[in-house]
Amino acid sequence: EPEVTQTPSHQVTQMGQEVILRCVPISNHLYFYWYRQILGQKVEFLVSFYNNEISEKSEIFDDQFSVERPDGSNFTLKIRSTKLEDSAMYFCASSAMGGRGYEQYFGPGTRLTVT
Amino acid sequence: AQSVTQLDSQVPVFEEAPVELRCNYSSSVSVYLFWYVQYPNQGLQLLLKYLSGSTLVESINGFEAEFNKSQTSFHLRKPSVHISDTAEYFCAVYKAAGNKLTFGGGTRVLVKP
Repeated sequence: EPEVTQTPSHQVTQMGQEVILRCVPISNHLYFYWYRQILGQKVEFLVSFYNNEISEKSEIFDDQFSVERPDGSNFTLKIRSTKLEDSAMYFCASSAMGGRGYEQYFGPGTRLTVT
Repeated sequence: AQSVTQLDSQVPVFEEAPVELRCNYSSSVSVYLFWYVQYPNQGLQLLLKYLSGSTLVESINGFEAEFNKSQTSFHLRKPSVHISDTAEYFCAVYKAAGNKLTFGGGTRVLVKP
């Protein structure tokens, strides 16, 4: 069964450093997402991406964040200058189409620890 | 703005006993509701969803959820749990504008033998 994969599973970085979290969505999917979950808190939407453009972003997704689909398979989340409060589990998801009937398939997550 | 509340953060339950996980939502527009499950060290997997039609929806592994518009609830139930149901369960509301899910805080189910 096709699945969303994410690398690395755990990333430790120092405050102020740039990190890139990588995701490989399901191959025929067209919509891509990033969510995050700070320890003990809710899973929060960060950004959705379609046709090489951001289609929606939350207030969390400020200028320090960016997303990119550099090739036909990867979908990346970059944090330019990490802060302690960026420590969280980051989930990538993809769906075949947008809309309520199309399931968002989630990856296993990348745990980001900022020290 | 939409919000989702899961009233129980943890639910311990014995094997073969029933379980109910509560979920309430707030929304002024049509809602589309989901339950996701996260097994240890895995990603979120869709368990079941309500889009329209019958208010009772079922999953392949014995879970069911009932959409109750008047009570703005979408509680998840299983009449008899297994050890393998130990996981965290997330209720979510789909928002068409932005094509995104809003999640509740999650309920951790621990099934004891």
